[in-house]
Amino acid sequence: DSGVTQTPKHLITATGQRVTLRCSPRSGDLSVYWYQQSLDQGLQFLIQYYNGEERAKGNILERFSAQQFPDLHSELNLSSLELGDSALYFCASSLRLADKETQYFGPGTRLLVL
Amino acid sequence: QKEVEQDPGPLSVPEGAIVSLNCTYSNSAFQYFMWYRQYSRKGPELLMYTYSSGNKEDGRFTAQVDKSSKYISLFIRDSQPSDSATYLCAMSVPYNTDKLIFGTGTRLQVFP
Repeated sequence: DSGVTQTPKHLITATGQRVTLRCSPRSGDLSVYWYQQSLDQGLQFLIQYYNGEERAKGNILERFSAQQFPDLHSELNLSSLELGDSALYFCASSLRLADKETQYFGPGTRLLVL
Repeated sequence: QKEVEQDPGPLSVPEGAIVSLNCTYSNSAFQYFMWYRQYSRKGPELLMYTYSSGNKEDGRFTAQVDKSSKYISLFIRDSQPSDSATYLCAMSVPYNTDKLIFGTGTRLQVFP
């Protein structure tokens, strides 16, 4: 168990809908990362937050947004969902900004868009 | 061309075999090299983490980095069925707040 928790574990929804994925980092970790993993694309970095502020953006679509709250948990919001958004979404955390090389991953949320 | 290339496998070996997993990369600025293990329906787990070139050993696992060839390897000695998983390599540029770059992963199956 990495200490990173993610809810929900599974999510089934329809195209055009909006969902929110939640992540609680390891105790004490200030940095949170979101990733999308699909069969054809592998693990793709979406966005990073550090102590409440956005620090880095990857291949995140405009329909997706995230935030990190004062208690350091983070939410990833996916809107106007498309079939191609079906994937595993992982959250990872690290202690400090400089610790991106040692990230601890949560168990993931499996999203299925029908 | 992807920045990091990794053979997807699957790689199937008998228990006790030595396994070699590899990644090649194109960005010479990469300095940190990681190997993650991902069991089915689980999140990736950090296995090994090396900086720059050379070898690092941890139990049955050895990570090798050859920066001149832009090639990294993970060796697993005395492989066990519990090693059956997908192995992802990842790389990064130091002091850069940007992302880790992951390979697509190699699926390993160790049969008894």
